[in-house]
Amino acid sequence: ETGVTQTPRHLVMGMTNKKSLKCEQHLGHNAMYWYKQSAKKPLELMFVYSLEERVENNSVPSRFSPECPNSSHLFLHLHTLQPEDSALYLCASSQAASGTLSAQYFGPGTRLTVL
Amino acid sequence: RKEVEQDPGPFNVPEGATVAFNCTYSNSASQSFFWYRQDCRKEPKLLMSVYSSGNEDGRFTAQLNRASQYISLLIRDSKLSDSATYLCSFNNNAGNMLTFGGGTRLMVKP
Repeated sequence: ETGVTQTPRHLVMGMTNKKSLKCEQHLGHNAMYWYKQSAKKPLELMFVYSLEERVENNSVPSRFSPECPNSSHLFLHLHTLQPEDSALYLCASSQAASGTLSAQYFGPGTRLTVL
Repeated sequence: RKEVEQDPGPFNVPEGATVAFNCTYSNSASQSFFWYRQDCRKEPKLLMSVYSSGNEDGRFTAQLNRASQYISLLIRDSKLSDSATYLCSFNNNAGNMLTFGGGTRLMVKP
């Protein structure tokens, strides 16, 4: 399935590195999301973009910086991360419509390890 | 009431058994409900939407109980391949985003 793709699939980085996660959706959706999933914890919503505008920033530390250049692409820029930021980072997309919430479709995730 | 509550399990059932999970929600105005399946170290995948009148997809039946504010997922004739974590999802308390439960782990044994 290639509806939502993410790269890289695995990333190991030191606390002083700068890296970026990339997400691309091929479903024609107009909303994209970043989630963090730590071991044995629920999905945590980080950022939401709807029609390329950020509509949600869920108290995420500034060391995470999202970018949405168009409705098909979403990036998460990482810098000076902490070991507790190690997790699975999931991108999702959906079709936002007035008055309804449609299902979200997830990419395979980037498994991030911060040393 | 918590925004969402799911029994984390695990539910251990033999092949062929029928198993059901519930998910309770606090936002009485929620209109959108979904069940997702997540395999170990993989992304959540949409299993089915949940409609007001209940809906069925093969061995899977989803139901909504608005009065008691929960949704349910029933799996009949369990297969080994049904072993996974099942996440519920619905409008958050603000109504503008989907929120996800922590998931119920199902293990189907031979």
